[in-house]
Amino acid sequence: AQKITQTQPGMFVQEKEAVTLDCTYDTSDPSYGLFWYKQPSSGEMIFLIYQGSYDQQNATEGRYSLNFQKARKSANLVISASQLGDSAMYFCAMRGDTGGFKTIFGAGTRLFVKA
Amino acid sequence: EAQVTQNPRYLITVTGKKLTVTCSQNMNHEYMSWYRQDPGLGLRQIYYSMNVEVTDKGDVPEGYKVSRKEKRNFPLILESPSPNQTSLYFCASSPRTGSTGELFFGEGSRLTVL
Repeated sequence: AQKITQTQPGMFVQEKEAVTLDCTYDTSDPSYGLFWYKQPSSGEMIFLIYQGSYDQQNATEGRYSLNFQKARKSANLVISASQLGDSAMYFCAMRGDTGGFKTIFGAGTRLFVKA
Repeated sequence: EAQVTQNPRYLITVTGKKLTVTCSQNMNHEYMSWYRQDPGLGLRQIYYSMNVEVTDKGDVPEGYKVSRKEKRNFPLILESPSPNQTSLYFCASSPRTGSTGELFFGEGSRLTVL
């Protein structure tokens, strides 16, 4: 069965510092995608970054990077130079190429950025 | 503007009164899905559709129905709502049906069943 685990319910980070949000996953699919989404207090869900299971390089999108360690089944999100606007809920998600292309989500990590 | 539109955004109803949450996307996406978000559980998939007339159950389909008669619309139907269906619901679409497709979400519909 597919599973996403986010072990940090809440985290604090000082403005301008980097922060890593942890995500581990489990799947039997040979090919899959890993995603991170941001949910600000306003409630909408925003796509941040994608990593394919066969990608050799870690994905980056501006201040976001995904630290992908396939052997350890981890897909941690790194936010560099945190900003106050980064305070939000962050969800790790996975989508496989089999099993109907279902997307499963972790429970989320709430990030608080301190001024 | 490319978007996924859900209605209603907020709804309070009573047990047993049928309701429909509409979802429409203007991006010509083939893949659409519904999720519910509950505290501590993240988002859980209710139903998804890979194309017109093709729907399948997600992880928590009990008590819900969907239909996909047109590519752009994917309504969620609660035939007889119960209090345990009180939740925040999201509709989403994706440009690709495979594992590479990111999800574009609607703004969410907060449903309370009394």
